[in-house]
Parts: sequence; structure tokens; C-alpha cells
Amino acid sequence: DTGVSQNPRHKITKRGQNVTFRCDPISEHNRLYWYRQTLGQGPEFLTYFQNEAQLEKSRLLSDRFSAERPKGSFSTLEIQRTEQGDSAMYLCASSLGARDTSESLHFGNGTRLTVT
Amino acid sequence: AQKITQTQPGMFVQEKEAVTLDCTYDTSDPSYGLFWYKQPSSGEMIFLIYQGSYDQQNATEGRYSLNFQKARKSANLVISASQLGDSAMYFCACRSTLGRLYFGRGTQLTVWP
Repeated sequence: DTGVSQNPRHKITKRGQNVTFRCDPISEHNRLYWYRQTLGQGPEFLTYFQNEAQLEKSRLLSDRFSAERPKGSFSTLEIQRTEQGDSAMYLCASSLGARDTSESLHFGNGTRLTVT
Repeated sequence: AQKITQTQPGMFVQEKEAVTLDCTYDTSDPSYGLFWYKQPSSGEMIFLIYQGSYDQQNATEGRYSLNFQKARKSANLVISASQLGDSAMYFCACRSTLGRLYFGRGTQLTVWP
């Protein structure tokens, strides 16, 4: 169990550029979640996958955001035409996917995006 | 949807003392779980403790205990014998059987010697 891995740890980009983040979940975990956390706030849900199927997207996920999880393994989160308001920590989490409220999510260390 | 409220932006406690971090929640789901996570300055989210909505007894994990009052919809975290390494952001979260967690805004705990 190597934990949830996110790359890169930090990304600085200019407004209008596209960025892509990667998340490698714990290998046997079926569910993968993306959250966004801005300074002084708790994580906000963006989207989640059950295997390769994207089951839910938050209203926070504008058309500029897209997430994929091909083959139900790693996931990518792409932000097109970045805006300064996209600056945040992007957290990935995974879980086995049991329909059990006791199942905790395992989080990665996040990707910190700064849009200049 | 669930809503989590943490009304204490910051808390201070002296080393070796106990501290209570407040959390109230609002959910229409009959079955739900309540979690506390710790987030040090390094950024990782560390799971601390879980309480199920049907659990009769308060959860405990080492120095952490969860004071669960279902009728009042509160799930306060109690940290006993605080240590300097406990200084961090603490988040309360609620989860339904649908899976995703809803988080509060967090409480910044500072432990001083």
C-alpha cells in the first residue's frame, strides 16, 4: 500500500493556459474522488468515479474542468483556460467503494495550483 | 445534501491539556457517518476518528474521542493530553451511503508549550 499519489505537487501557470493533474489511487480502490480546497476552507467536492464511470459532478465543476479515469486506474483532472480563481489545492482521494458510511477516504498530498 | 458547521476558526490549548473542537451537522439521510480529519501544514489529510449515526457509544481512538449527541446533531472532537504535534487544521466531515464526504470549514488548533 503506497497510498494515494498526486503529481505534480505544485503547478504555477499563467492565466489562460491549460493544466492537467494526475492521481494514482490505492491499487485495490474502486472509488476515486477529486476535491478542491482554497485557503482557509474545507475541501469541496468536485467529482467522483466508480471504476471508470464518472458518477457525479459538482456544480463547481465548470465546463472548463474535465476529469477522466480510463481503465478505472489513475485519474486526470484537466483545467482549460485557467483563471486566477482556479488557484487552489486539488486533492484526490480513493476508497474501496463499499456502501458503508464507515469507510474513510484516503487522501493524497494534493496538487497546489497557482494561476498568475 | 449535508451541511457541516465548525464555528471555531481558531483554538489555543496548552500542552498536556484537553481541548474540544465543535462540529454540528445537518443531514436528511437516515444513515450517515461522521469523521474528523487532521491537516498539518504539509497538506495531507489524516483520518482521525469515525462515528456512525447508529452507534450507541461515543467513538474513541487513543487520545481522540468523539462526543456524539445525535438529537443536537453535534459531533465534537475531544483531544486529551494535547501535544505540540497536534497543531494543525481539523476538519469535521459527514458521509452518507452515497459515498462522498462533506467538510466543514475547519478549526486551526495551536498547541503552546
